[in-house]
Amino acid sequence: SQQGEEDPQALSIQEGENATMNCSYKTSINNLQWYRQNSGRGLVHLILIRSNEREKHSGRLRVTLDTSKKSSSLLITASRAADTASYFCAVLNQAGTALIFGKGTTLSVSS
Amino acid sequence: DAGVIQSPRHEVTEMGQEVTLRCKPISGHNSLFWYRQTMMRGLELLIYFNNNVPIDDSGMPEDRFSAKMPNASFSTLKIQPSEPRDSAVYFCASSLAQHTEAFFGQGTRLTVV
Repeated sequence: SQQGEEDPQALSIQEGENATMNCSYKTSINNLQWYRQNSGRGLVHLILIRSNEREKHSGRLRVTLDTSKKSSSLLITASRAADTASYFCAVLNQAGTALIFGKGTTLSVSS
Repeated sequence: DAGVIQSPRHEVTEMGQEVTLRCKPISGHNSLFWYRQTMMRGLELLIYFNNNVPIDDSGMPEDRFSAKMPNASFSTLKIQPSEPRDSAVYFCASSLAQHTEAFFGQGTRLTVV
């Protein structure tokens, strides 16, 4: 089964609203990463949060990490139509060899 | 750097044919990954190379799949013979190390008819 699972599967909001996506994982981690995928394109790295960090910001992105609950959230503030994409969290697999991804949250921002 | 480069972008082939997907990682990256993405199964890790050596191929679905990395700037994923259920988007990604930021190529959309 997937190491990371995003919630919700799909999210539709209006421009200007905030979007929150959640990720749960199963084992201990070194870091957790969030990626974005536009339709028909490859994944693009957004932000990495280390296991000893609780919150991290990058522009309109805010990521939190709760290692006790094995969960993370990605908040996009003041969303724009261009934020329409799928968002994935990723952690190392149990072997510690490679990143594995959840099935993603599909975000749709309408103007 | 131009990023991770994959070719071809699209491939349509008949069942039973051999398919070869190609990847050029970012120069200086030691780790290379092949992933497969489908609607049903999401993004699946197929194989991981470190310094051109296959480290983890537990995700390779069957013996029909094979991957090579003859040098630091080139990798291939081969499917022989191909089957319709192999239809998916195949991504190559590279990174400085397995736990750091991964850079993805644009993917190869494979359709086996």
